[in-house]
Amino acid sequence: AAGVIQSPRHLIKEKRETATLKCYPIPRHDTVYWYQQGPGQDPQFLISFYEKMQSDKGSIPDRFSAQQFSDYHSELNMSSLELGDSALYFCASSGGGGIEPLHFGNGTRLTVT
Amino acid sequence: QKEVEQDPGPLSVPEGAIVSLNCTYSNSAFQYFMWYRQYSRKGPELLMYTYSSGNKEDGRFTAQVDKSSKYISLFIRDSQPSDSATYLCAHPEGGNNRLAFGKGNQVVVIP
Repeated sequence: AAGVIQSPRHLIKEKRETATLKCYPIPRHDTVYWYQQGPGQDPQFLISFYEKMQSDKGSIPDRFSAQQFSDYHSELNMSSLELGDSALYFCASSGGGGIEPLHFGNGTRLTVT
Repeated sequence: QKEVEQDPGPLSVPEGAIVSLNCTYSNSAFQYFMWYRQYSRKGPELLMYTYSSGNKEDGRFTAQVDKSSKYISLFIRDSQPSDSATYLCAHPEGGNNRLAFGKGNQVVVIP
C-alpha cells in the first residue's frame, strides 16, 4: 500500500540558511500534519492543513511556514535556520474526516551546522 | 504537564516474554487512543487504535483502555527481537485530529 513520501531523507544546512521539506500524502488523504522530533523526544506538532487550508497550528516558529498544494502535497519552508532546528521532521496524513489515525512518513533528518 | 503521560524508561525483556506498556491520561473526555511503534530512524507506525473502554486484540498485540483509572495499556505476547522499538501512546487533541504523544518506551527484546 502507498505510504506517505517525504523528501529529502537527509538535509544538511548551515546556520541562517533556508530549507524546504516536501511531503506527499497517501492518495485520497486530504489532511497533512507536520511534526518535529528532537533526539530522544516524542514528536511535537507543528502545523496541519485540510483541503489546502491551514487547519491547526502548534509550536511552529515564525521562521517556518508551510502550505498544501492542489495535489495535496505539502511543503515546510524553514528560514534563518538555527542549530536547535536540527531534528527529524515528519509528515503525516489522514483522510475520511472525523477522528482518523495519522499515517507517518519516514521523515527528513535536518542537520544544521 | 502533558495530557498523556508515559514513563519513558527503557525496557529489556527476553525473547518470548510478555511486554507490558502503560500510559495514563488526565482528561476523562478522551475517547480515542493510539499506539505507535517507531523503529530507529523511521516514522511512527500505527499499531493499534482503540475507542472508549475495553480490549482490542490484533495478533500478538492487545490494547486495553481502562477509563475508570484513565489508564491505557499495550501488551505484546511472545515478544520477538523484531519488536525492539520505541512504543508511543497517543490521543487526538483539539478539534482537528492532531495527535499528542507520550514520551515513548524503548523496548529491547533480547534473543
